[in-house]
Amino acid sequence: RKEVEQDPGPFNVPEGATVAFNCTYSNSASQSFFWYRQDCRKEPKLLMSVYSSGNEDGRFTAQLNRASQYISLLIRDSKLSDSATYLCGGDTGNQFYFGTGTSLTVIP
Amino acid sequence: NAGVTQTPKFRILKIGQSMTLQCAQDMNHNYMYWYRQDPGMGLKLIYYSVGAGITDKGEVPNGYNVSRSTTEDFPLRLELAAPSQTSVYFCASSLDSGEFFGPGTRLTVL
Repeated sequence: RKEVEQDPGPFNVPEGATVAFNCTYSNSASQSFFWYRQDCRKEPKLLMSVYSSGNEDGRFTAQLNRASQYISLLIRDSKLSDSATYLCGGDTGNQFYFGTGTSLTVIP
Repeated sequence: NAGVTQTPKFRILKIGQSMTLQCAQDMNHNYMYWYRQDPGMGLKLIYYSVGAGITDKGEVPNGYNVSRSTTEDFPLRLELAAPSQTSVYFCASSLDSGEFFGPGTRLTVL
């Protein structure tokens, strides 16, 4: 069983839309969670950390639900520049694990 | 800070050749990692290190070796390259939360 499951998409949304991604994780010992953004042919870049009750940064909101073992990322007022692949990741204390990524394309 | 640097950016190997992918970080991070990412796939952990002198296998270690003689450097060694090792290799480091990735090495084995 994979450590984390993520809907690969693709998600195609119009500019200005709100879009949400979810990841479910299987390891209940996971301590910390993260969202990364990866542009085509580039390295993943840390977008947000998600701890306990969640995190908000401008148009981006990340939530953690430990009871149901999932994390989510909400993007409001989507911009063309938000087009990328979004990876969720978790930390068991000495190892990170990642989802396969969700592809987002924001359409003019 | 340069962050995490990787060399080379691209490399083509013949089957059976060997090479070392270099990775260095100047952030004084204890944790370092090597991942491979195949097209359309997620990141798979090859090896990781929690500090100088300590290395551990990840999910897909076969065909690779690592060393961690200093905090800054974490080279990945391929001894007998195989076509299945064609991939993009990312090195990453972390201190206590979240990983910082290098730009990657695109390796093709023919």
